[in-house]
Amino acid sequence: QKEVEQNSGPLSVPEGAIASLNCTYSDRGSQSFFWYRQYSGKSPELIMFIYSNGDKEDGRFTAQLNKASQYVSLLIRDSQPSDSATYLCAVKGTSYDKVIFGPGTSLSVIP
Amino acid sequence: DVKVTQSSRYLVKRTGEKVFLECVQDMDHENMFWYRQDPGLGLRLIYFSYDVKMKEKGDIPEGYSVSREKKERFSLILESASTNQTSMYLCASSFPSLGTQYFGPGTRLLVL
Repeated sequence: QKEVEQNSGPLSVPEGAIASLNCTYSDRGSQSFFWYRQYSGKSPELIMFIYSNGDKEDGRFTAQLNKASQYVSLLIRDSQPSDSATYLCAVKGTSYDKVIFGPGTSLSVIP
Repeated sequence: DVKVTQSSRYLVKRTGEKVFLECVQDMDHENMFWYRQDPGLGLRLIYFSYDVKMKEKGDIPEGYSVSREKKERFSLILESASTNQTSMYLCASSFPSLGTQYFGPGTRLLVL
């Protein structure tokens, strides 16, 4: 079983719609959860982190965490073509400072 | 502003050459990481370091070594480059326990 899994893409949404990206993890002791955005040919850029169960909002982005279900998601409201990128879910488990990255979900926002 | 820099954006090397990739961070982070990223394989951890002169193997350390003589600098060494080491190499750094990693721009290495 992979440690961090993400919904397979590519995911296409029309401009202005809500994009929903999902991630599950296997280490029940995981404490910190991150979402990175990666444009083609560029390095990953941190967009959100969440530590506690519930929702965390930052502008058009909302991260949702459910530790009981070992599930974390990212919602992007009012999606823009500039949101087209690969989104990486990352989880800090119980191993010393190591962060496990998911395989990424490719998002395409269609004008 | 958080800053991680890598010595080269693009590199072309010959099989058998010794290759040095350098990473420098200015955030006083204790932890530094080297990853490689390949299509369909995602980010894979090669080595990480949690202090000067300390290093730990990641998931794919074979064919690589690292050096950390100063806190801000973490070098990745390919002792004898091979074509299967053609990849995008990404350096990252973080404070201990927080887990938030900041990435450099990456080095795209081509081994011929």
